[in-house]
Amino acid sequence: DADVTQTPRNRITKTGKRIMLECSQTKGHDRMYWYRQDPGLGLRLIYYSFDVKDINKGEISDGYSVSRQAQAKFSLSLESAIPNQTALYFCATSVPGTADAGELFFGEGSRLTVL
Amino acid sequence: GESVGLHLPTLSVQEGDNSIINCAYSNSASDYFIWYKQESGKGPQFIIDIRSNMDKRQGQRVTVLLNKTVKHLSLQIAATQPGDSAVYFCAEDNYSTLTFGKGTMLLVSP
Repeated sequence: DADVTQTPRNRITKTGKRIMLECSQTKGHDRMYWYRQDPGLGLRLIYYSFDVKDINKGEISDGYSVSRQAQAKFSLSLESAIPNQTALYFCATSVPGTADAGELFFGEGSRLTVL
Repeated sequence: GESVGLHLPTLSVQEGDNSIINCAYSNSASDYFIWYKQESGKGPQFIIDIRSNMDKRQGQRVTVLLNKTVKHLSLQIAATQPGDSAVYFCAEDNYSTLTFGKGTMLLVSP
């Protein structure tokens, strides 16, 4: 079983619909992240959480919200999906280094298509 | 290693050659850097990391070089194999989160 599990793996939806992408992890890590990947643009940080009571905006948080339901669960929501949110979304976890992010462990990705 | 628009820089090599993938980073205060490999349809996987107090670090068939003067990272893969074909990303620590480069595609032909 994967240590970082994302559901759904693929989703097609329509403009204006609410969508939730879920992430669960069995690694016991406190830190969790949501990244978005677009062709040629690399991975961009949407939101991150350093523990259950901590939520932080990343580089591209507009149009997204998150919920950290437990140490093991971090969900990403699109309240009203739009076509330019069509992308591959990755959840990741980490154990921090001395004063840095540490190695990130990624899920397999959730491909979202907004029509 | 920077992409232009939607086009990913691509490095094509022959099996057995050594590959060098380059990356320019932006934050001179970054003190931790990682290389990730992403195979088609999968999430990125850790390859090797390096801290700013080092210039070079070696792993199994991979070496990362860090030049802080010009804010440049490189990943060297020795004896490149078809299984090394993937997109490679460098990432720099940015206030305890990772900021990723746009990636370089490595194509290895037999």
